[in-house]
Amino acid sequence: EIVLTQSPGTLSLCPGERATLSCRASQSFSRRFLAWYQQKPGQAPRLLIYGASSRATDIPDRFSGSGSGTDFTLTISRLEPEDFAVYYCQQYDDLPFTFGPGTEVAIK
Amino acid sequence: EVQLVESGGGLVQPGGSLKLSCAASGFTFSGSAIHWVRQASGKGLEWVGRIKSKAADYATAYAASLKDRFTISRDDTKNTAYLQMNSLKDEDTAEYYCTRSHVDNGWAYDFWGQGTLVTVSS
Repeated sequence: EIVLTQSPGTLSLCPGERATLSCRASQSFSRRFLAWYQQKPGQAPRLLIYGASSRATDIPDRFSGSGSGTDFTLTISRLEPEDFAVYYCQQYDDLPFTFGPGTEVAIK
Repeated sequence: EVQLVESGGGLVQPGGSLKLSCAASGFTFSGSAIHWVRQASGKGLEWVGRIKSKAADYATAYAASLKDRFTISRDDTKNTAYLQMNSLKDEDTAEYYCTRSHVDNGWAYDFWGQGTLVTVSS
């Protein structure tokens, strides 16, 4: 099973700042099958990024993804008030599919 | 508009069974893989399993710790997927989401239901 580790656990930032979230895997897999999701309290997750770097429909361009192999990054260039949430990475290349534990982006 | 609506959650005693449903609309259900993901209160997302389309022989896969107790099925005539859960344990208490994966979004989970809460308690 591919284990995903996300860091930091919590990122405390101000609106307008840049957020950099890390997702590391216990073994290499195809970047085609790495996704990022955003989840706000009481809501279902929302797809942000698939294929490591492709934005999903209607996702603003301040969200970007990069990486390959075992190291992946989600960057939010300038935080908007609605971006404060929990972010999960997921690999869906190798069964069983797995999620990372999440990074909370909190208002500082 | 794509919609996924889960139902069937509720309170069940340890050792009991429950069958969740996921009713889909607004897209070609028969051509999509359906996944179940759960989330215990205050915790992260946990992949439960998935069922592929008829074209892929309705192949199923499960989280290793669940495969002996949980079964995913689908009825394409009703645009509905199911999660049968047996021998339920306290630790199965969670919000259960169904979601679809589609080639348009690189097979990532682009639409999710609102979730249905399963509580396992005596």
